[in-house]
Amino acid sequence: EIVLTQSPGTLSLSPGERATLSCRASQRLDSSYLAWYQHKLGQPPKLLIYATSSRATGTPDRFSGSGSETDFTLTIASLEPEDFAVYYCQQYGRTFGQGTKVEVK
Amino acid sequence: EVQLLESGGGLVQPGGSLRLSCAGSGFSFNNFAVAWVRQAPGKGLEWVSTISGRVNDTYYADSVKGRFAVSRDNSKNMVHLEMNSLRVEDTAIYYCAKARVTATPPDSWGQGTLVTVSS
Repeated sequence: EIVLTQSPGTLSLSPGERATLSCRASQRLDSSYLAWYQHKLGQPPKLLIYATSSRATGTPDRFSGSGSETDFTLTIASLEPEDFAVYYCQQYGRTFGQGTKVEVK
Repeated sequence: EVQLLESGGGLVQPGGSLRLSCAGSGFSFNNFAVAWVRQAPGKGLEWVSTISGRVNDTYYADSVKGRFAVSRDNSKNMVHLEMNSLRVEDTAIYYCAKARVTATPPDSWGQGTLVTVSS
């Protein structure tokens, strides 16, 4: 079973700053099957990125994904107020990482 | 417009059973897999189960294998999650979500239904 480990647990940043979130897999992962979600309190999760780097419909271009094999990254180029949330990576439509909370500094 | 609507949540005692339903509309229901994902209070997202669109292949997390069963009725655009031998740790918001195939990330989600397991 592939385990996904996200870091950091919490990222404290100000609007306009760049956010870099990491997702590390316990074994090599086909990049076609790594996705990122945004989750806000009281709402369902929202798919942001699929296949490591493809933006889902409606995802702003300030969000980008990269990586390969065991190391994957979600980058938010310049944080907007609505971007403060919890972010999860997911593999093969199944297991999730434990999440990274992006909070206002 | 794609819509998914969960129902059937509620309060149940440990050891009890509950059946969740997910109604889909606005898309070709039998062409898509449906996943169940839950979030326990104060915890992260946990994948629970997925059922394929047509051939009814099913997949389960180890934490629910043997206790939960997923099924679908494509004639009614419905997916069901039968939950037996419920434990306190099954308390969570349960979301259903559609995915292109079973190994791909769900791209549309319902609002969720709350299941509380408590005596």
